[in-house]
Amino acid sequence: GEDVEQSLFLSVREGDSSVINCTYTDSSSTYLYWYKQEPGAGLQLLTYIFSNMDMKQDQRLTVLLNKKDKHLSLRIADTQTGDSAIYFCAERGGSASKIIFGSGTRLSIRP
Amino acid sequence: DTEVTQTPKHLVMGMTNKKSLKCEQHMGHRAMYWYKQKAKKPPELMFVYSYEKLSINESVPSRFSPECPNSSLLNLHLHALQPEDSALYLCASSPYSGPNTGELFFGEGSRLTVL
Repeated sequence: GEDVEQSLFLSVREGDSSVINCTYTDSSSTYLYWYKQEPGAGLQLLTYIFSNMDMKQDQRLTVLLNKKDKHLSLRIADTQTGDSAIYFCAERGGSASKIIFGSGTRLSIRP
Repeated sequence: DTEVTQTPKHLVMGMTNKKSLKCEQHMGHRAMYWYKQKAKKPPELMFVYSYEKLSINESVPSRFSPECPNSSLLNLHLHALQPEDSALYLCASSPYSGPNTGELFFGEGSRLTVL
């Protein structure tokens, strides 16, 4: 079956790097995604990675994929107060239309 | 226009009421989705429409009835709901095929309270 797991909370100091981790179970996943949800809002796609890639960088965001261990991480460099949000890892499941979300990691920023 | 617009933003209804949630997008996306999100939980998929046809129904109770009148509109009709159905209902759209199939564009959601 398909399952995506994340730790629930992460607290970092402003200016430090944040690393949010995710594990998934569906080895047939071709794409993995990171979404951000700010309070009272819908989800916003931050970035995605194709399963034949190990790493993808986009400005302050770096995604690392370890397909052998089914482990995905999102690193946010120079974390700012505006990065406070819930971050969801997601995989595209067996059906191309079905996106499975992890439990979400709430990122809080300390001054 | 890269927005998904949902109305109403807030809805309070009794258990005997009939109401509808509406969703609209003008990005030419041919897949549209309804998700339900409870507090502090991830979104849970309810329905998927592809090319205006229902392609996925995640065993949702019949008191929720989706409708896709055209490629830009998606409705969710609500009837005889229970208090436990109170949640944020999120609409999303995506291109149906190609590498960006998982790129979902979400609306802000309709927050539903059932009394």
